[in-house]
Amino acid sequence: GAVVSQHPSWVICKSGTSVKIECRSLDFQATTMFWYRQFPKQSLMLMATSNEGSKATYEQGVEKDKFLINHASLTLSTLTVTSAHPEDSSFYICSTPPATMGTQYFGPGTRLLVL
Amino acid sequence: QKEVEQDPGPLSVPEGAIVSLNCTYSNSAFQYFMWYRQYSRKGPELLMYTYSSGNKEDGRFTAQVDKSSKYISLFIRDSQPSDSATYLCAMSPQNSGYSTLTFGKGTMLLVSP
Repeated sequence: GAVVSQHPSWVICKSGTSVKIECRSLDFQATTMFWYRQFPKQSLMLMATSNEGSKATYEQGVEKDKFLINHASLTLSTLTVTSAHPEDSSFYICSTPPATMGTQYFGPGTRLLVL
Repeated sequence: QKEVEQDPGPLSVPEGAIVSLNCTYSNSAFQYFMWYRQYSRKGPELLMYTYSSGNKEDGRFTAQVDKSSKYISLFIRDSQPSDSATYLCAMSPQNSGYSTLTFGKGTMLLVSP
């Protein structure tokens, strides 16, 4: 299956700082990547869809100015959490879009802790 | 009522036990049902995929869908400590394309040696 990597795997930052999370497709080209957020003991919640060559589309309730998404190339999508606050502490996961037969490849996730 | 309900557990079983994990849902448009396994601090990985009602077996895993009851199950036979993980159900009204999945919260399974 497709391999998706994320960097960093975890990050701790002070409140008010910005954090960039990278999502890379290692063995395929991705025109679209999904970004999810998962709070402890909660389900995966889709935040936004990043699109190579065009603007990201955000789910209802997700602040586009706070969560900046850039699909820089066919192998790299980034999520920047701007002016992070403790309530932004979560597990952020990128993935390919669901394809046929339910195939969807997730990155290993990035755990963000904002102090 | 939430679209997908899943008991968060934890569910603790001894090695070798048969495990039953379940989800209920309210949206009758869901036709495609998936089970994902997520190890701690890792992204989910697809375990099973089923369409409409019926059973599907893959090794020690059996997925069962009962659309009339809006109820899906994942059975794990001869459970192993390596099965300890969180199991997420997910479902979609469509088979492919960019349709998004609706996930349950996940059930944490602990298999003790």
